[in-house]
Amino acid sequence: GIQVEQSPPDLILQEGANSTLRCNFSDSVNNLQWFHQNPWGQLINLFYIPSGTKQNGRLSATTVATERYSLLYISSSQTTDSGVYFCVNMDSNYQLIWGAGTKLIIKP
Amino acid sequence: ETGVTQSPTHLIKTRGQQVTLRCSSQSGHNTVSWYQQALGQGPQFIFQYYREEENGRGNFPPRFSGLQFPNYSSELNVNALELDDSALYLCASSFISSSETQYFGPGTRLLVL
Repeated sequence: GIQVEQSPPDLILQEGANSTLRCNFSDSVNNLQWFHQNPWGQLINLFYIPSGTKQNGRLSATTVATERYSLLYISSSQTTDSGVYFCVNMDSNYQLIWGAGTKLIIKP
Repeated sequence: ETGVTQSPTHLIKTRGQQVTLRCSSQSGHNTVSWYQQALGQGPQFIFQYYREEENGRGNFPPRFSGLQFPNYSSELNVNALELDDSALYLCASSFISSSETQYFGPGTRLLVL
């Protein structure tokens, strides 16, 4: 089945720093998405990005489907960016395949 | 806010009991998926319901069952609770025929003692 690997597993940064989160796939990219889970458990979709680059404020994402990876960039980090970032692929049955996540802590 | 609601928010049960969790999907969505998220891990797919029929199932035993109602709301039932069933249970709604993302509810935190 499809495997999703995320790195790094943990990241601690000072407020204002920039970061890059990476996601590698074992199979083709289908409906690739990035989610943020806040410390209270709420999951919010950040990007739907099967290919190309998208930007939303301080966040941007790039997916290179031919090389089976995606990157999430966070610039000028804020404490509210803390939480777990998940990279998610979708299989042929529309089921989401989740990575283990990157836990991000932004210190004030 | 995603428009997906779940109840209850927290629940404490004892081993062997049964539990029912509820989810109301976002308006216009006809598909509900349920996930189990253990502490420190990513969500694990339990099953999906599309137009009141089960439309895919993950690696969970039969004591995990579900329902979807005509208004597309859904229930997750777990029988014979085990300690390892303690987790955050998430539901997500979507419109299956599109490539639209899934929208998640806030989750129900279940503790089995």
